[in-house]
Amino acid sequence: DVKVTQSSRYLVKRTGEKVFLECVQDMDHENMFWYRQDPGLGLRLIYFSYDVKMKEKGDIPEGYSVSREKKERFSLILESASTNQTSMYLCASREADTEAFFGQGTRLTVV
Amino acid sequence: AQSVTQPDIHITVSEGASLELRCNYSYGATPYLFWYVQSPGQGLQLLLKYFSGDTLVQGIKGFEAEFKRSQSSFNLRKPSVHWSDAAEYFCALRRDYKLSFGAGTTVTVRA
Repeated sequence: DVKVTQSSRYLVKRTGEKVFLECVQDMDHENMFWYRQDPGLGLRLIYFSYDVKMKEKGDIPEGYSVSREKKERFSLILESASTNQTSMYLCASREADTEAFFGQGTRLTVV
Repeated sequence: AQSVTQPDIHITVSEGASLELRCNYSYGATPYLFWYVQSPGQGLQLLLKYFSGDTLVQGIKGFEAEFKRSQSSFNLRKPSVHWSDAAEYFCALRRDYKLSFGAGTTVTVRA
């Protein structure tokens, strides 16, 4: 089975902190994604990567950056966390013509 | 522009009754469509997918969906709902690399 692992289930950070959310997949997938999920808004794409060191902005990239130094790992970075970034963050990966597989999610609270 | 619309925010259904969740999409080419389910506190699990071919797609947990190009719809159905089907359901459309989600429909099952 494909496994997508997010390093933390719950995080509490202070405003202004630099925050790293880590995601690892074990199926050698080319494509990886970061979404945030908010009530009534569904999942919104922050960034995606289609290869190592390659990244593309999604629909809501402001306030975020990403890093993909190795194929299996895709990191989401909040350069200076703000309270409006309190949300559930979901990582996903997929091969070219398959469905996306999701991690369990990281619930981030910024205080 | 919204590419996936789920018109129903919340549906309540009795156990044993049938369920239909609506999904409409906006996309000029042949769509790749998905339904995912999210139980409380969990990541997303794929229920079924449509890439091409037969417009009636069977999925896991007794779910099926019908692709109707003329109506730009991909509605999810289950003939007899179980209490364990209480969850949030997301319709998704793949465009190029991106997977766009609807806002989700929460299903409550009453005894």
